[in-house]
Amino acid sequence: AQSVAQPEDQVNVAEGNPLTVKCTYSVSGNPYLFWYVQYPNRGLQFLLKYITGDNLVKGSYGFEAEFNKSQTSFHLKKPSALVSDSALYFCAVRSGSSNTGKLIFGQGTTLQVKP
Amino acid sequence: GAGVSQSPSNKVTEKGKDVELRCDPISGHTALYWYRQRLGQGLEFLIYFQGNSAPDKSGLPSDRFSAERTGESVSTLTIQRTQQEDSAVYLCASSLYVSVNTEAFFGQGTRLTVV
Repeated sequence: AQSVAQPEDQVNVAEGNPLTVKCTYSVSGNPYLFWYVQYPNRGLQFLLKYITGDNLVKGSYGFEAEFNKSQTSFHLKKPSALVSDSALYFCAVRSGSSNTGKLIFGQGTTLQVKP
Repeated sequence: GAGVSQSPSNKVTEKGKDVELRCDPISGHTALYWYRQRLGQGLEFLIYFQGNSAPDKSGLPSDRFSAERTGESVSTLTIQRTQQEDSAVYLCASSLYVSVNTEAFFGQGTRLTVV
């Protein structure tokens, strides 16, 4: 069965510091990985995805994520956090061996960036 | 339309009543997904459509829940005899294809409160 784990309910970081939001996954077959962000009272917005190729994926708003196959991880990173990055972040996965488009989401991590 | 549109944005209903939630996907998107997000929790998959067919209904919590899609466009999620545990934000998403590497775009959600 596919699953995603986001081990931290909340991540706190000071503005200007680098941030990391962790995600690990479990799938059969090749993983296809996604990050979404949810601002208060808004829907989810797509940030970036890993399909194949370079392990470092760049996305919207200066975010990037690093795919690590041996550690089955796909951590979200940003070199310098902004207060406006404060939001709820979701990691999601699809399995390449599945014929369904169903995305499996993690529980979410709240990012709090303080001035 | 420019994005995924959901209506109503908020719905308060009495326990035992039926409710219908509507989703208008991005024009031309063949795949449509319904998720549920309970307060403080992650996204729970309910059902997805490929065209007007629903290959995967595995996430529907009970037979009180049903969904349909017509014209490869609008979808309606119906909850019969609502219960308080049905209170949640119901999110709809669409993607161009049912494909492992295609991102889904989400609507703002319908916040359902059962009193």
